[in-house]
Amino acid sequence: EIVMTQSPDTLSLSPGDRATLSCRASQTVTYNLAWYQQKPGQAPRLLISGASTRATGVPVRFSGRGSGTEFTLTINSLQSEDFAVYYCQQYSNWPTFGPGTKVEMK
Amino acid sequence: EEQLVESGGGLVQPGGSLRLSCSASGFNFRTLPMHWVRQAPGKGPQYVSAIRSNGDKTYYTDSVKGRFTISRDNSKNTLYLQMNSLRPEDTGIYFCVKKPYDTSPFDVWGQGTVVTVSS
Repeated sequence: EIVMTQSPDTLSLSPGDRATLSCRASQTVTYNLAWYQQKPGQAPRLLISGASTRATGVPVRFSGRGSGTEFTLTINSLQSEDFAVYYCQQYSNWPTFGPGTKVEMK
Repeated sequence: EEQLVESGGGLVQPGGSLRLSCSASGFNFRTLPMHWVRQAPGKGPQYVSAIRSNGDKTYYTDSVKGRFTISRDNSKNTLYLQMNSLRPEDTGIYFCVKKPYDTSPFDVWGQGTVVTVSS
């Protein structure tokens, strides 16, 4: 099973700031990496697939990059609705998720 | 609109059983594999089980093998998860999810149903 790790655990930022979230896989997943956003009481929402392709309706301030074992999600100019928990997930084989990064308001 | 709606969660004692259901609409259910993902309180999601489109093959994470059974009724557009010998560590929200093809992330999630295993 591929183990996913995320850093940091929590990001404390203000609206308008840039958020940079990291995700690492224990072995290569090539580009089979997704990012999800989850708000309290809701299911995760797919943001990014293929490491860098935004899902339908996802604002352009969300961008993903990386390949192999190292990935990054960047949120430019944080909006109030972006404060949430973000998970990465690999789907190269048996799907596994990271423990999440919470983006909270400073 | 593609939609998944789970039901059947609840409070159960250790060793007990529950049967979860997931009603699908807005897409061709019978042509797609379907999946269950769970999320323990304060943790990341965990992939639990999958079933092929015609139900001929099933997959389980190691911790539920021999205790959980996934099944489907394509005539009713419904997915099931029979959970037996429940343990406290099975507590969490159970989501029914779909993905558009084999090597893809999960694009549609249900709202989830809460399972609590406690005495």
